Amino acid sequence: GDSVTQMEGPVTLSEEAFLTINCTYTATGYPSLFWYVQYPGEGLQLLLKATKADDKGSNKGFEATYRKETTSFHLEKGSVQVSDSAVYFCALSDPETSGSRLTFGEGTQLTVNP
Amino acid sequence: GAVVSQHPSRVICKSGTSVKIECRSLDFQATTMFWYRQFPKQSLMLMATSNEGSKATYEQGVEKDKFLINHASLTLSTLTVTSAHPEDSSFYICSATRTGGMFGYTFGSGTRLTVV
Repeated sequence: GDSVTQMEGPVTLSEEAFLTINCTYTATGYPSLFWYVQYPGEGLQLLLKATKADDKGSNKGFEATYRKETTSFHLEKGSVQVSDSAVYFCALSDPETSGSRLTFGEGTQLTVNP
Repeated sequence: GAVVSQHPSRVICKSGTSVKIECRSLDFQATTMFWYRQFPKQSLMLMATSNEGSKATYEQGVEKDKFLINHASLTLSTLTVTSAHPEDSSFYICSATRTGGMFGYTFGSGTRLTVV
């Protein structure tokens, strides 16, 4: 079945540092890929998405490129801020095998210190 | 943009009572709604998928009689935790989509349930 694997956290960075959170996936169809962010005590917010190979999703300085050859969708940001502290979830949607459901990774806690 | 409203945000109830959580899509018709449970510092666990007008599809290991899901309209789904016990304490999140996820998924803000 479909699965998503994220790098283990937690990740602690200083403000303005470069961020990478690795995400790899396994899917039998042609999935769409997502990054969601969860702030403490809240639901999930869509950060960015990509629907086909080589697509690059971007939002608020975050980027991720859909790499079919390496089955990856790594999240990057060039200069993190304290306000980026949150939990980040990589997810995929594979209608051919899983219908309309989302498959989530384990989540990565990011803490950015001033 | 698409907005999903989830209420209540927090609820405390006594053991043995039932609690209802509502999930409303405010500006779109949600053909499918999902209910998740999240334990501290863990990922989201899908509990069930509900399509408007039909019975919910529960994931393996989720008790149908304990977690009652109703999706009576295209804008409202409810999750009722029946005869709640302390082990049901958790963070519950709903999500809604239309047309099989093609237009993305919108999440509610979550409900923190504490059973005492």
